[in-house]
Amino acid sequence: KAGVTQTPRYLIKTRGQQVTLSCSPISGHRSVSWYQQTPGQGLQFLFEYFSETQRNKGNFPGRFSGRQFSNSRSEMNVSTLELGDSALYLCASSLASTGIEQYFGPGTRLTVT
Amino acid sequence: GENVEQHPSTLSVQEGDSAVIKCTYSDSASNYFPWYKQELGKGPQLIIDIRSNVGEKKDQRIAVTLNKTAKHFSLHITETQPEDSAVYFCAASKKGGGADGLTFGKGTHLIIQP
Repeated sequence: KAGVTQTPRYLIKTRGQQVTLSCSPISGHRSVSWYQQTPGQGLQFLFEYFSETQRNKGNFPGRFSGRQFSNSRSEMNVSTLELGDSALYLCASSLASTGIEQYFGPGTRLTVT
Repeated sequence: GENVEQHPSTLSVQEGDSAVIKCTYSDSASNYFPWYKQELGKGPQLIIDIRSNVGEKKDQRIAVTLNKTAKHFSLHITETQPEDSAVYFCAASKKGGGADGLTFGKGTHLIIQP
């Protein structure tokens, strides 16, 4: 069974631009969670989608948004990029919206200049 | 919200020896505690997890223990091998009825010395 895939793997953007990241969960998994990983703050929860609905949201500004499609694929959007948004963005999928057994993808490395 | 503390930040052990990583959590309602291994350039890999109705769980060379009263849990790796070198993260969450998201510790860089 294929794992979680994320595209693109690397991205360079300029401050003020917006960016969209994509995540395809493991086949059969309906929950997708997004996390931001930085050296200073570590791994932080952004939000979780299940059945096309946002179920939970972490403590991030409204510039960070997401959505989930009927095939469970998910996208994350960051608008008006700031230098501090440079990070590894990870998505994780799980069977149900219970928070258990989350499997991570390889991440998208976003650099904001 | 939940806060997870992880120690040590770096751990160097001789190949074949055991390694222990410890975590404490603050929210007594947390009941799911996974451990992840992250290698350079890769996403975190789920290696073992424990739920609050269990005190210990083993999977070959890896074991996790949970003390709900003291609110701490530990990862034990026996007979360490070079491929165990990585960054390990503990996490905590409340499971069931909607994911609140995992709260992670800051990570432990495990170095296996040959």
